[in-house]
Amino acid sequence: GIQVEQSPPDLILQEGANSTLRCNFSDSVNNLQWFHQNPWGQLINLFYIPSGTKQNGRLSATTVATERYSLLYISSSQTTDSGVYFCAGDDKIIFGKGTRLHILP
Amino acid sequence: EPEVTQTPSHQVTQMGQEVILRCVPISNHLYFYWYRQILGQKVEFLVSFYNNEISEKSEIFDDQFSVERPDGSNFTLKIRSTKLEDSAMYFCASTGRTNTEAFFGQGTRLTVV
Repeated sequence: GIQVEQSPPDLILQEGANSTLRCNFSDSVNNLQWFHQNPWGQLINLFYIPSGTKQNGRLSATTVATERYSLLYISSSQTTDSGVYFCAGDDKIIFGKGTRLHILP
Repeated sequence: EPEVTQTPSHQVTQMGQEVILRCVPISNHLYFYWYRQILGQKVEFLVSFYNNEISEKSEIFDDQFSVERPDGSNFTLKIRSTKLEDSAMYFCASTGRTNTEAFFGQGTRLTVV
């Protein structure tokens, strides 16, 4: 089955810093998504981004489908950005292990 | 905005008991999924369901588990004879078509004691 690798596994930053999270797929996917899991455990849709670039406020994402990776950018981090960020894709919506982001005040 | 709804939000059950987790997918969606997330770990695929039958299932989804769409709106996951290791957050998801954006419910936290 498809493998999804996310890096880094953990990231600790000061408030205001920028960050880049990466997601690699072992095979092509055409339904790549990014999620944020909040402290209550809910999976919040951030981006549906099979290819190209999208932006939503301080967050943006880029997927290079031909090279099977996607990047999530968070600018001017806030403490509310803390949590786990997952990417997922494939017809079974396979998840990576996530990046745990902790923003320090 | 349409959303996937799961009930209950929390359930505590004794080992060996049967539990049914319920989900109401987005109304015009056709593909339904269940996932499990053991505390602190990744979200794991259990099963996908389309046209009233299982499309795919993972090795986790053994004979202890079953899914059903008993009516036009609900989608259920039944766990027979629960074990301690079944304690996890269970998520339901739905999509309009295969390989499109998926929407997840808020999860049911199952604790087996």
